[in-house]
Amino acid sequence: NAGVTQTPKFQVLKTGQSMTLQCAQDMNHEYMSWYRQDPGMGLRLIHYSVGAGITDQGEVPNGYNVSRSTTEDFPLRLLSAAPSQTSVYFCATSDYSNEQFFGPGTRLTVL
Amino acid sequence: GENVEQHPSTLSVQEGDSAVIKCTYSDSASNYFPWYKQELGKRPQLIIDIRSNVGEKKDQRIAVTLNKTAKHFSLHITETQPEDSAVYFCAASRSNTGKLIFGQGTTLQVKP
Repeated sequence: NAGVTQTPKFQVLKTGQSMTLQCAQDMNHEYMSWYRQDPGMGLRLIHYSVGAGITDQGEVPNGYNVSRSTTEDFPLRLLSAAPSQTSVYFCATSDYSNEQFFGPGTRLTVL
Repeated sequence: GENVEQHPSTLSVQEGDSAVIKCTYSDSASNYFPWYKQELGKRPQLIIDIRSNVGEKKDQRIAVTLNKTAKHFSLHITETQPEDSAVYFCAASRSNTGKLIFGQGTTLQVKP
């Protein structure tokens, strides 16, 4: 089993460009989340989903969109990238126990 | 809103000493409290967790205590080793929400 996978591993964007960070899981978990990690600020929740077709905002949702059309996939879309979105992005999944399993992360730089 | 405060932000100990990291949370409905260890360039890995019906949990050199009245929980690492050096995060959540609120992290350095 691959667990939680994220693509790409690294990405450089110019201000104003859009892109989608991919997250996929084969753990059959209902819950999926996106976090961003910035130095000194820990991991902050962007968006999360409790099942296919259901998403909700986290602590820092502005500038990001999500959708959950299948149990396995939870893509994160940056609509118009800004330098403030330079960060490491982690996708995570969990079952009803709430124990979260993290993907390897995507390191994004916005110039 | 929900908030988790973590202290200290950095901690340096001598090998063999104990290390203690403390967290407080704001949401009184939180009932799940995990601790994650993150090594440089890697993803966070769960090292221990505790639920609100338990006051203390131990796993070899690692223990976590929870005080629900004070909304406070702590990570204790005994007999520290250089490989314990990493960033540690606490988090809090409610059951069946699929989301965690994290503390800001503690960088632990264990000197040989």
